[in-house]
Amino acid sequence: AQSVTQLDSHVSVSEGTPVLLRCNYSSSYSPSLFWYVQHPNKGLQLLLKYTSAATLVKGINGFEAEFKKSETSFHLTKPSAHMSDAAEYFCVVRGHASGGSYIPTFGRGTSLIVHP
Amino acid sequence: KAGVTQTPRYLIKTRGQQVTLSCSPISGHRSVSWYQQTPGQGLQFLFEYFSETQRNKGNFPGRFSGRQFSNSRSEMNVSTLELGDSALYLCASSPGTSGRAGNEQFFGPGTRLTVL
Repeated sequence: AQSVTQLDSHVSVSEGTPVLLRCNYSSSYSPSLFWYVQHPNKGLQLLLKYTSAATLVKGINGFEAEFKKSETSFHLTKPSAHMSDAAEYFCVVRGHASGGSYIPTFGRGTSLIVHP
Repeated sequence: KAGVTQTPRYLIKTRGQQVTLSCSPISGHRSVSWYQQTPGQGLQFLFEYFSETQRNKGNFPGRFSGRQFSNSRSEMNVSTLELGDSALYLCASSPGTSGRAGNEQFFGPGTRLTVL
C-alpha cells in the first residue's frame, strides 16, 4: 500500500521569505512523486516530479524538491515567496510498472498563505 | 496546444437526478482519469480510461460510471444523485498509461457540481 502525508495543513510566510512544504510518503516500491499546485477555482498544475533520476528536482516558478529515501520525504521548497504563490499544494505518490499501485494517492493539501 | 477542457464548468442538480460530465483531453493524449475533490475527503481517484478501456477504478459506488470514445474524449455519469456528490470533478489526461514511471497528468479546470 502507498500513502502520503502532508505534515502541515496551512503554512504562512511573508513575501520574500523561504517556503517549506513538507511531505512524507510510504510505498513498498520506489515510487514516482509529484507536487501539484491549485489556485482557487482552477485545476491542478504540475510543479515538479521525481522518477528515480536526480534526487534534487527543479520545477517551475523557482520551486524545487529533494527526494530523501532514508527519511521517506519529498519536501517542496522555494527560496523566496511571491504573492502569486498563495495557493493549495498537493503532494502525490504513484506506483508504476516496476511496482506499486498505479492509482495516484494525493495528500490532503497544504494551503500556502503569503503576507505582504 | 489546447489544454484539457471540461464541460460544463458549473452544474446544479437535485437529488435523484443523473448527470453527465464531459472531458476533452489534450490532443494526442490517450489516457483520461477522473477525480472527485471535496473539502472533507480531499482528492479521490474515480477511474482511468486508456484506449476506450477502463484500466483502474477507485473505491466509489456503481452509481459512478464512465466511458471513453475513440477520439479519447471521456464522459462520466453519476446516477441517482445524492447530496454528498456535491464536489469539484476533475479530469486529467496523460500521453500514456499509468504504468509508465513518472507519467504526469494534466488537469482540466473541473466541473463544479452542486446537488440540492
